[in-house]
Amino acid sequence: EAQVTQNPRYLITVTGKKLTVTCSQNMNHEYMSWYRQDPGLGLRQIYYSMNVEVTDKGDVPEGYKVSRKEKRNFPLILESPSPNQTSLYFCASSQGFGQPQHFGDGTRLSIL
Amino acid sequence: AQSVAQPEDQVNVAEGNPLTVKCTYSVSGNPYLFWYVQYPNRGLQFLLKYITGDNLVKGSYGFEAEFNKSQTSFHLKKPSALVSDSALYFCALIAGNNRKLIWGLGTSLAVNP
Repeated sequence: EAQVTQNPRYLITVTGKKLTVTCSQNMNHEYMSWYRQDPGLGLRQIYYSMNVEVTDKGDVPEGYKVSRKEKRNFPLILESPSPNQTSLYFCASSQGFGQPQHFGDGTRLSIL
Repeated sequence: AQSVAQPEDQVNVAEGNPLTVKCTYSVSGNPYLFWYVQYPNRGLQFLLKYITGDNLVKGSYGFEAEFNKSQTSFHLKKPSALVSDSALYFCALIAGNNRKLIWGLGTSLAVNP
């Protein structure tokens, strides 16, 4: 089954404790992206990757890092999380930019 | 500047009635337009897209959307709503050569039995 898998689905943690949200897709997609969803603000792109070893900033990259060492994986790293990063996070992938995106089921992060 | 607007935060419709979720856009150049749906506790799912050609686009789950260049709109429609259509709907835009996907803020659709 074609899917984008995010882990964990839920996480409560404390300020400053490094965390990684993993994202994996099994569709051999070139394009991958991370979004955060906040009430009243809709979806905002954090980072995206056009292909392996190619990443670029989205609209709200501050406080986040990503890497794309393999085509299937696109982890999101919060080196020093802060409460303003409490949000619902989505990973998405597509065959290329402009193609329909497949989304994971989301990761709800709470940073205390 | 490129932008997408979903003018209604919430739409309520009775089951069996037609539904419309509105989307308007502002762009220089030709737009690529998308509709996605988000069910509770799930990620977004692609419904349909317009790139070029026929102004009426058919998509998943019986949804369709009409591209109207003069009114710069791309409204989502369904002839007969189901309770299971209750969800959050997002319109999105790629504008010409601008390699950026711009999202609307979403419209919550409630279909009442």
